[in-house]
Amino acid sequence: GQNIDQPTEMTATEGAIVQINCTYQTSGFNGLFWYQQHAGEAPTFLSYNVLDGLEEKGRFSSFLSRSKGYSYLLLKELQMKDSASYLCAATGFQKLVFGTGTRLLVSP
Amino acid sequence: EADIYQTPRYLVIGTGKKITLECSQTMGHDKMYWYQQDPGMELHLIHYSYGVNSTEKGDLSSESTVSRIRTEHFPLTLESARPSHTSQYLCASSEQEGANYGYTFGSGTRLTVV
Repeated sequence: GQNIDQPTEMTATEGAIVQINCTYQTSGFNGLFWYQQHAGEAPTFLSYNVLDGLEEKGRFSSFLSRSKGYSYLLLKELQMKDSASYLCAATGFQKLVFGTGTRLLVSP
Repeated sequence: EADIYQTPRYLVIGTGKKITLECSQTMGHDKMYWYQQDPGMELHLIHYSYGVNSTEKGDLSSESTVSRIRTEHFPLTLESARPSHTSQYLCASSEQEGANYGYTFGSGTRLTVV
């Protein structure tokens, strides 16, 4: 079966650090993606993990544990423009399976 | 600069009309996808294609149809639009091979059927 779970909504303040968790269960898993989507816009690629461990890219980092079916996206030094939905997506038999997304609200 | 293009960006159309949403990509990607997304909701895969003359239905049932006559072009057609078709339609493409086949999304078409 295909199943992606992530929290529906999170709030944080400007300058803080926030961690968005994702658990997945997909057949034919190869890797895990994180996308950012602002309201009314298309998703944009943030990160891709295929091996266990942490991938750092500027203010954003993503972690994967294949044995636990778990990933997280870490956002540091939050800015107002980081208010968006963050989509966890796992590969499954050559297709991406998307989670429902986590809506992050960054307040001043 | 976008490598995957969707037109129109916005469309308001009357019930019963036939419409075609255009999607083109210049990256030479074999795989292309159509997603439907209501505001604040998850992406639902409605159609996909792994290459020319290959089309498959996605996880969400849809009354739309697609065609893939050329690699770069993957249009979606609604023969008779209904208010229930009001939604955002997102087109995406990815490479055929390789471990990192992340999707590149178009800007989307926001469709309103009145």
